[in-house]
Amino acid sequence: EVQLVESGGGLVQPGGSLRLSCAASGFTFSSYSMNWVRQAPGKGLEWVSYISSSSSTIYYADSVKGRFTISRDNAKNSLYLQMNSLRAEDTAVYYCARGAVVVAAIVDYWGQGTLVTVSS
Amino acid sequence: EIVMTQSPATLSVSPGERATLSCRASQSVSSNLAWYQQKPGQAPRLLIYGASTRATGIPARFSGSGSGTEFTLTISSLQSEDFAVYYCQQYNNWPRGITFGPGTKVDIK
Repeated sequence: EVQLVESGGGLVQPGGSLRLSCAASGFTFSSYSMNWVRQAPGKGLEWVSYISSSSSTIYYADSVKGRFTISRDNAKNSLYLQMNSLRAEDTAVYYCARGAVVVAAIVDYWGQGTLVTVSS
Repeated sequence: EIVMTQSPATLSVSPGERATLSCRASQSVSSNLAWYQQKPGQAPRLLIYGASTRATGIPARFSGSGSGTEFTLTISSLQSEDFAVYYCQQYNNWPRGITFGPGTKVDIK
């Protein structure tokens, strides 16, 4: 069974930093691209970042470019999101999301999410 | 950026009835469109990709159609577990980003 378990969320002040982690199991992690997708409270979905299976290709949404860094450790079956210079508008549930084999831009499995709250 | 819109914002349907949800793109996305279902307090679930291909394990009562700028998700006979929010997502200009629609909430009439 595919499982994606996020951790690392919490309350942080504006301008602060936070590192999210995602532990993957139930599939060959090193064979799949991964994404982070977020959802502000009561709002819709926003794609944040993508990383290919080998980390050779990385993309970011314009809203986080230069502030967030995605990475992965295939030996540890883990995905990360380093978030710096956080703003109130970054407040959201952050989902770890697996890219589908058929089309990497599609998410075929999602974690349950971790809440990040940016507030003073 | 391609902007996605969905209508209606809320759709009230009785169990057993047919539900038709619309998604429109601000420019052509060909057939590069997916649909997701999200229930309260849960992560989204992939339903449809390529505008009309059902994902693994998705019941046949879910069907997708359309191409270009106009898309439809049809639920042929609503079950109690289908009451949720539905999002469309375009991926035509991947890798220059993905965009989601604002969602359609399907609730019980």
